[in-house]
Amino acid sequence: QQQVKQSPQSLIVQKGGISIINCAYENTAFDYFPWYQQFPGKGPALLIAIRPDVSEKKEGRFTISFNKSAKQFSLHIMDSQPGDSATYFCAASNRNTPLVFGKGTRLSVIA
Amino acid sequence: DGGITQSPKYLFRKEGQNVTLSCEQNLNHDAMYWYRQDPGQGLRLIYYSQIVNDFQKGDIAEGYSVSREKKESFPLTVTSAQKNPTAFYLCARSLLAGSSYEQYFGPGTRLTVT
Repeated sequence: QQQVKQSPQSLIVQKGGISIINCAYENTAFDYFPWYQQFPGKGPALLIAIRPDVSEKKEGRFTISFNKSAKQFSLHIMDSQPGDSATYFCAASNRNTPLVFGKGTRLSVIA
Repeated sequence: DGGITQSPKYLFRKEGQNVTLSCEQNLNHDAMYWYRQDPGQGLRLIYYSQIVNDFQKGDIAEGYSVSREKKESFPLTVTSAQKNPTAFYLCARSLLAGSSYEQYFGPGTRLTVT
């Protein structure tokens, strides 16, 4: 019940295209859903996060879509750029539970 | 680096030796965490601590030990009992105030044991 399942494992997108990464969770007690971006050899950086009282959150080119009934959430990267090439992790938690991470998606944006 | 200092960046040890990884934060945050990252495995929780002098095991605590004697410090010891210690180790912090419990990561320590 603590798992977070992330797909796809890897993704190749043309420059200017839309990158979409999906996650599904099982524990209905989770109330916080962040996305992290990680470059090789670096620690993950918090990118954007959502709570279940809203269905969508947008920050610049990054949007989280959240479907509470389906227990799914996704990251959309609009106008993808080569500098977005990184590994992305979704996660879920609540106040009493440390973050549970998906296994990551390696995104490559090609020109 | 998320307000966290991890040292050293690279660490090399011989098999059978214990090694301690440092994690320090200067933001007075309540909670600190240790994760292990292996290729294709995501981040797996080793230990976490929400208050001084208290800590809980995560999913893969076997072969590891921690202490939290000061709020700003949460060192991780990789013992000789850890079967496969070579990995990228990440420390994180979280404020845990009200509805705010975002986690921020340090730069990591890459441990190689031969």
